[in-house]
Amino acid sequence: GQQVMQIPQYQHVQEGEDFTTYCNSSTTLSNIQWYKQRPGGHPVFLIQLVKSGEVKKQKRLTFQFGEAKKNSSLHITATQTTDVGTYFCAGGAAGNKLTFGGGTRVLVKP
Amino acid sequence: DTEVTQTPKHLVMGMTNKKSLKCEQHMGHRAMYWYKQKAKKPPELMFVYSYEKLSINESVPSRFSPECPNSSLLNLHLHALQPEDSALYLCASSRIGRNTEAFFGQGTRLTVV
Repeated sequence: GQQVMQIPQYQHVQEGEDFTTYCNSSTTLSNIQWYKQRPGGHPVFLIQLVKSGEVKKQKRLTFQFGEAKKNSSLHITATQTTDVGTYFCAGGAAGNKLTFGGGTRVLVKP
Repeated sequence: DTEVTQTPKHLVMGMTNKKSLKCEQHMGHRAMYWYKQKAKKPPELMFVYSYEKLSINESVPSRFSPECPNSSLLNLHLHALQPEDSALYLCASSRIGRNTEAFFGQGTRLTVV
């Protein structure tokens, strides 16, 4: 079955620095979605990428979908304490099925 | 209204108890989901309902029994659970189709004693 892997598992970032988390799928995806889960919270949808090579920006967050639609990345610039949480990518497939990556847990050092 | 409401927020139950988790949405979504999430792990899909019919069961043990009484409600009936079933149970909903975002409820934190 479809597997989605994310690296790194943990990311300790100094406030103000940039970082990137990467997502790779074992199969071609129809779409890739990104979610953020704050500590003690629930996953909240951030964005969806559908087209090969697509790039989308949300303020300090930049999302990319690979040309082969098997990988994606999330780049955060000028990290803030509000960026703390776990970022999950999730691959879309038939039957409304989402397969989540393992997540990148982000800790920000002030 | 873009909320998915889950009750209860917390539940402690014994291994011989029967309990139910409830989920409600009023966004007109016709796909609803149950996920299980253990600490520091991603959500794991358990069940998917499409148009109120069970469309995906990810080989979940029969001690978990889902029910979709109507297009707004989703229940998860629990019976004879084990301590390893303790987890955060998340309900989600979405429109039908591949490229649709999922809206998650706040979850029920279940502890089995």
